[in-house]
Amino acid sequence: GEQVEQLPSSLIVQEGASVLINCSYTDSASVYFPWYKQEPGKRLQFIIDIRSNMERKQTQRLTLLFDKKTKHLSLHITATQPGDSAIYFCSASPGNTGKLIFGLGTTLQVQP
Amino acid sequence: AQTIHQWPVAEIKAVGSPLSLGCTIKGKSSPNLYWYWQATGGTLQQLFYSITVGQVESVVQLNLSASRPKDDQFILSTEKLLLSHSGFYLCAWGGTGGPDYTFGSGTRLLVI
Repeated sequence: GEQVEQLPSSLIVQEGASVLINCSYTDSASVYFPWYKQEPGKRLQFIIDIRSNMERKQTQRLTLLFDKKTKHLSLHITATQPGDSAIYFCSASPGNTGKLIFGLGTTLQVQP
Repeated sequence: AQTIHQWPVAEIKAVGSPLSLGCTIKGKSSPNLYWYWQATGGTLQQLFYSITVGQVESVVQLNLSASRPKDDQFILSTEKLLLSHSGFYLCAWGGTGGPDYTFGSGTRLLVI
C-alpha cells in the first residue's frame, strides 16, 4: 500500500527564516495531497492541498510544490513566526476514497 | 456550523479491560466518518471508515472494532485492551480530505 515519508522530522529556526518540508510517496494512484498542521493542544487543521494535475499551489506564506514524476512534494513556509510552531503532516489520498495516508510529521519550532 | 466532539479526552486503562471511545458530529447529515490512531512517536493511521449508519469498514487490524449506531455517532471499542493500544485516537468526518476533512480534538489513551 501507499507509504508516505516526510523529512526532516524536526526543525528549529529563528523567526523570519524560511523552512522547507519534504514529502515523498510510493503509490502512483495517489492523486490528492492535503497537508495538516497540529499546534500544541489543538486539533489537526488543514493548511494547504494539491492535486496530481498541478505543480504548484500558493496561499499566503505557504507554497506547495508537486513533482509527479519523482512522487515528491515540498512545502515552503516563508517569514516564519512563533505561531507557526506546530507539527506539520503531509498526506496522500488514492482517489476519491476519503482514505488518507499520513507521513510521520515534521515538528517545527520557531524561536522569537 | 458543523461540530465534532470526541469523548473522553483522556483515559488510563488496565490491560485486559474494555474500552469505548465516542465521536459525535453535529450539523452535517450523512457524513463520512473515520477513526485514526497515532502511536507515540508514530504517524496517523486510519483504522475504520463509515459511509452510512450500520456500515463500517476496517482498514487496519488492531484488535479494535467500530460501530455507527446513528448517523451522527461513531464508536470505537474493544473488550480487551492491549498495551499496544496506547496512543492518540482521532475521529474525523469528511469526503476526500482537504478543507472538508475535519478532525476532532482526540482521545489520549494510556494502557498500563
